[in-house]
Amino acid sequence: ETGVTQSPTHLIKTRGQQVTLRCSSQSGHNTVSWYQQALGQGPQFIFQYYREEENGRGNFPPRFSGLQFPNYSSELNVNALELDDSALYLCASSFSDRFGVHTFGSGTRLTVV
Amino acid sequence: AQTVTQSQPEMSVQEAETVTLSCTYDTSENNYYLFWYKQPPSRQMILVIRQEAYKQQNATENRFSVNFQKAAKSFSLKISDSQLGDTAMYFCAFSPNFGNEKLTFGTGTRLTIIP
Repeated sequence: ETGVTQSPTHLIKTRGQQVTLRCSSQSGHNTVSWYQQALGQGPQFIFQYYREEENGRGNFPPRFSGLQFPNYSSELNVNALELDDSALYLCASSFSDRFGVHTFGSGTRLTVV
Repeated sequence: AQTVTQSQPEMSVQEAETVTLSCTYDTSENNYYLFWYKQPPSRQMILVIRQEAYKQQNATENRFSVNFQKAAKSFSLKISDSQLGDTAMYFCAFSPNFGNEKLTFGTGTRLTIIP
């Protein structure tokens, strides 16, 4: 198993800029989910992709968008960054035969200044 | 909407002792899954244990076991013979048994194992 890898591990951006975070899913997994984890909080669901289509979205504005590619890797894009977007962004992949069992990456720590 | 509550922000226990972490949840669904995930300083969330709501039997994974009380909407995690490597944030999570696999997490309990 290759696990879930995320890049970059840390990132500093200025308010108003755009950012792209990347995730490589575990081999054989066809579903990818993104979560935002603010400091001292539990992760919050952003959205999920299944076979390249968005398959559910949490309470996040449209400036949070994503893509899933044919090889099941994924991107999270955030436009017009705000200070409150500073958080750890976690990518998780899963396979539909074990509902809710996610393999998580180590996250990207985004700081918006 | 589902909510998950963890009322113990921090806990500590001596190595080799037993510790229980509490979790309550609220949902109108009848079929769902509950999870405990562990987040060590490496930041990677790791699945500890999974419980299917329709199963009466409590799940166990080696030193980890749960006490699932469906009527009370309670889902506690017991760690037996605690080890230094158990030091981490522990998150209780909920997922309905349909649709996407969205996980709803609690705010976590920071567990420290003291040598």
